[in-house]
Amino acid sequence: GENVEQHPSTLSVQEGDSAVIKCTYSDSASNYFPWYKQELGKGPQLIIDIRSNVGEKKDQRIAVTLNKTAKHFSLHITETQPEDSAVYFCAASDSNSGYALNFGKGTSLLVTP
Amino acid sequence: DAGVTQSPTHLIKTRGQHVTLRCSPISGHKSVSWYQQVLGQGPQFIFQYYEKEERGRGNFPDRFSARQFPNYSSELNVNALLLGDSALYLCASSPLAGGYNEQFFGPGTRLTVL
Repeated sequence: GENVEQHPSTLSVQEGDSAVIKCTYSDSASNYFPWYKQELGKGPQLIIDIRSNVGEKKDQRIAVTLNKTAKHFSLHITETQPEDSAVYFCAASDSNSGYALNFGKGTSLLVTP
Repeated sequence: DAGVTQSPTHLIKTRGQHVTLRCSPISGHKSVSWYQQVLGQGPQFIFQYYEKEERGRGNFPDRFSARQFPNYSSELNVNALLLGDSALYLCASSPLAGGYNEQFFGPGTRLTVL
């Protein structure tokens, strides 16, 4: 099945700096790559996603890039704020089952004032 | 608009017992997926239901079962609970079937098995 690896596992940045989280996937047929933000005690919240026919997508301070050839995609958060502190998960659609999302293990982001 | 709702929020059971978790999707969404999230890990896919039919199943034992009702709400059942079943169980709602559609998660049910 699909294997999604996510790095780093923890990331600490100062407020106002940028944060980058990287993921790689193994299934070249995967075509959908969402990113989720999970705060303590809550369910994952979809923050941005990208499909395989697009190389980059931006939504205010958040952007995602996809390199299909290298099978990796990244989340970029600019001008970080303390409220960005959370665990971030990348995921990739599973072409075998057609129905699952395969998740990375998460990145714990801490933004210090 | 109401998001995905799940009940109960917390549950404590003992080994060997049975548990039923419930989920109501976003209004207008016809697909519900269930995921298990063990502490410190990403969610793992258990089932997807669309139009009351099972469309996908992850690598979980037969002790796990689910169903979807005519109003698109869903139940996840787990029999013969093991300590390793302790986790956050997440329900995700989507307008359509398939892992390539946007999925919106509920707050989850925290299950503790003693």
